[in-house]
Amino acid sequence: SQTIHQWPATLVQPVGSPLSLECTVEGTSNPNLYWYRQAAGRGLQLLFYSVGIGQISSEVPQNLSASRPQDRQFILSSKKLLLSDSGFYLCAWRPGLAGDWAYEQYFGPGTRLTVT
Amino acid sequence: AQSVTQLDSHVSVSEGTPVLLRCNYSSSYSPSLFWYVQHPNKGLQLLLKYTSAATLVKGINGFEAEFKKSETSFHLTKPSAHMSDAAEYFCVVSSSASKIIFGSGTRLSIRP
Repeated sequence: SQTIHQWPATLVQPVGSPLSLECTVEGTSNPNLYWYRQAAGRGLQLLFYSVGIGQISSEVPQNLSASRPQDRQFILSSKKLLLSDSGFYLCAWRPGLAGDWAYEQYFGPGTRLTVT
Repeated sequence: AQSVTQLDSHVSVSEGTPVLLRCNYSSSYSPSLFWYVQHPNKGLQLLLKYTSAATLVKGINGFEAEFKKSETSFHLTKPSAHMSDAAEYFCVVSSSASKIIFGSGTRLSIRP
């Protein structure tokens, strides 16, 4: 069966510090991978998605970046955090198959980031 | 263009009474539609999905939704609410690898 891991679960970082959040998927190959941010009491905002190694698409201009160094690894980074980067970050995957739009996404447990 | 609108930001019902969470969508293509549930500080879990098969879709925990193309709606229902149903619910429309649109969410509260 497939599982998705995110770490850390919680993180408190000062403004201006760097960020690295990691997401890994087990039990599947060539998944589509996604990073979302959820601000307090708000819906989900798609930040990045990837359909393959080294292939990253950004949905929202910001001071965050993403990388996919391996097939089942997706990393969210920042060189300098802003207060507005606080939120709940969710990683998700779904099968990278033809007609993939018909498949549901599977979400990780999330990382709660507080920028102070 | 795609969009999804959840018509209620907050719904409160009594335990044992029916639940109705409303979702309208627009899409240029035949979309897939999903409902997810999120408990506090947790990831999202799929409740059910519609992918152009039966228009009445049954999901987990007694939830179901009906796809109505003429009304562009995909409302979520449950005959009898349980305290454990209290959570945030998201309606989602998807028509390609990158086109995944989340509604703004509906917070469901259950009164004892």
